[in-house]
Amino acid sequence: DTGVSQDPRHKITKRGQNVTFRCDPISEHNRLYWYRQTLGQGPEFLTYFQNEAQLEKSRLLSDRFSAERPKGSFSTLEIQRTEQGDSAMYLCASSPPGKNEQFFGPGTRLTVL
Amino acid sequence: AQKITQTQPGMFVQEKEAVTLDCTYDTSDPSYGLFWYKQPSSGEMIFLIYQGSYDQQNATEGRYSLNFQKARKSANLVISASQLGDSAMYFCAMRGVPGGGADGLTFGKGTHLIIQP
Repeated sequence: DTGVSQDPRHKITKRGQNVTFRCDPISEHNRLYWYRQTLGQGPEFLTYFQNEAQLEKSRLLSDRFSAERPKGSFSTLEIQRTEQGDSAMYLCASSPPGKNEQFFGPGTRLTVL
Repeated sequence: AQKITQTQPGMFVQEKEAVTLDCTYDTSDPSYGLFWYKQPSSGEMIFLIYQGSYDQQNATEGRYSLNFQKARKSANLVISASQLGDSAMYFCAMRGVPGGGADGLTFGKGTHLIIQP
C-alpha cells in the first residue's frame, strides 16, 4: 500500500511566475486535503475535497490559489503570480471513507525568489 | 472557534523515560476529534493517535497514549519508554478550522522533543 505522493518535492521559482503542484492520494481515499506549513509553525489548512467536489476553503486561500480534483483521484494546487510570502511547504493529505485519520504526503517545498 | 495550544516549545528527555507532551484546546462544538502527529527532521507528518470527544476510554497505540481530560480541555500525549528515534516535532491538532469549515485540521505550534542517550 503506497502512501500519499507529491510532485515535485522541491520547486524554486521567481516572483510573479505560476506554479502547479500535484498530489496523488492513497488508493480509495475519497477525501483529500491541502495544507501549508511555514518554518516553525504547524500546518495551516487550505482546502478540502470529497471525491471531486471542493467542499471547504480556508480564508487563507487567496484568489491566486486554485485547486482541482477533476476525477476524484489526484489533485493539483496552482499558485498564480507567486509572491515571496508563498514560500512554504505545501502538504497534501488523504483520508479513507469512515475514518478520521489524515495521512500526509512528503510535501512540496516552494521557494519564491 | 477551534484553537490548539501547545505550551512546551522544546523538551529534553533521557532515553527510556516516559514523556508527556501538553496540549489544550478550545472549541464550542459538542462533538470533536483530537489528533497527534509526529514530524521528524525529514519533514513527513506521521499520524500517531486519535481521540474522539465521545470516546469513553483514552486512546492508545503501542507506546503512545492520549490522556484525555474533557473537563480541563486537555489532550496530552504520553510516550512510554522513549527511544532516540522519538526525537522530532510533535503536533496536536483538532478537526475544524476557524472560518474554514468542519473537516480540515487546526494544528498547534508544536513541541520539539529531543531524546538524549
